[in-house]
This record gives sequence, structure tokens and C-alpha cells, in this order.
Amino acid sequence: EAQVTQNPRYLITVTGKKLTVTCSQNMNHEYMSWYRQDPGLGLRQIYYSMNVEVTDKGDVPEGYKVSRKEKRNFPLILESPSPNQTSLYFCASSALGPGETQYFGPGTRLLVL
Amino acid sequence: RKEVEQDPGPFNVPEGATVAFNCTYSNSASQSFFWYRQDCRKEPKLLMSVYSSGNEDGRFTAQLNRASQYISLLIRDSKLSDSATYLCVVTFEYGNKLVFGAGTILRVKS
Repeated sequence: EAQVTQNPRYLITVTGKKLTVTCSQNMNHEYMSWYRQDPGLGLRQIYYSMNVEVTDKGDVPEGYKVSRKEKRNFPLILESPSPNQTSLYFCASSALGPGETQYFGPGTRLLVL
Repeated sequence: RKEVEQDPGPFNVPEGATVAFNCTYSNSASQSFFWYRQDCRKEPKLLMSVYSSGNEDGRFTAQLNRASQYISLLIRDSKLSDSATYLCVVTFEYGNKLVFGAGTILRVKS
């Protein structure tokens, strides 16, 4: 089954404790991206990747890192989480770029205390 | 000014009603336009792409007005199952970046 998976789905952590949210797709897609969704603000793009080893900042990259060492994986790293990073996070992928259908993962709910 | 703006609603309509949503975008160079649907904080899913000539998919019709920089979505004969948040999505920066509107909430009631 073609899908985007994210782990963990739910996470409660404390300020400053490094964490990684994994994202994996099995559709051989070139384009992957991360979003956060907050009430009243909609989805905001954190980082995107056009291909392996090619990443770029979205609208809200501060406090986040990403890597794209393999085509299928695009982990999101929070080196030192803070309470303002409490949010719902979505990973997405598409075949070639943002001008095509985006397939989203199920989301990761993060609470930073 | 937000890059993509939508009326947040909620739009409360009876079953069978016709409802229309608008969305405005700020970048006249934007090339690709979409409507996504999101159910109750689940992942968004593509509803339809929006083409310059307008396009229809069953009860759903999307229109693009480049001169005025807005996109519309028309839903005819609303069903209870249409209740969701509808997200307007536009590409920016030469098509490399996607920008989502905050969404319009639709509630269809019997």
C-alpha cells in the first residue's frame, strides 16, 4: 500500500530534550516536506526537499533541522525543543514537486512541557 | 497581508444546499492551485486541482481568477459527509514552496 508513515504519532517531552520525528514514504517520491499546524494559522511549511541531499527552508524553519540521506526518509529533528514547538506535525511527499498531489502522513502530535 | 487568505467560517448549511468558498493569494507569479480537504485534525487530502479554465468533479467546481488573484470552490447538493475544513493551497517561489490557507470550516446539517 502506497503511504507516508510518521513516528511517533504522539509525543510528550520536556524543554531541551532532543527528539526526532521520522517520516518515510514508499512511493519513490522526489519531493518531501514538513509542516506544522496550529489553530487559526493553518499548515505552515517548515522544510522541504526536492531530492536526496537537497533541502531548503520553508516559512518557519527556526528550531528545526532536517536531512535527506535517502529518497524514502525525511526525518525532522528538534535539537532543543521549546514549548512554542508544541503543535501537530505533518510530513508529505509528492512525485516531483509541490505542483503535484501531496500525500500526507497521519500526523504527529507533540507536546513540549 | 497573509500569502493565502480564506474566510475561516464556519459555514453552517442544510443538506442539499449550495455553498461557495473563496480564497485570495498574494503572489501573482503563483502557478499551481489546489483545494484540500481535512477532517477533524487528520491529514489533508487532495480534493481537486484548480485550472485556469475552471474544472468540475461531480458536485464540486473550482474556478481560478488570475487577474483578481482568487480561487473559488463551489459545492452543490451538500451532503453530511462534506462537513470538513477546506484548505486553499498555492505554490510560491517559482513553484518550490507550498502555502496553505488557514482553512474554511463547513458544517452540513440535516
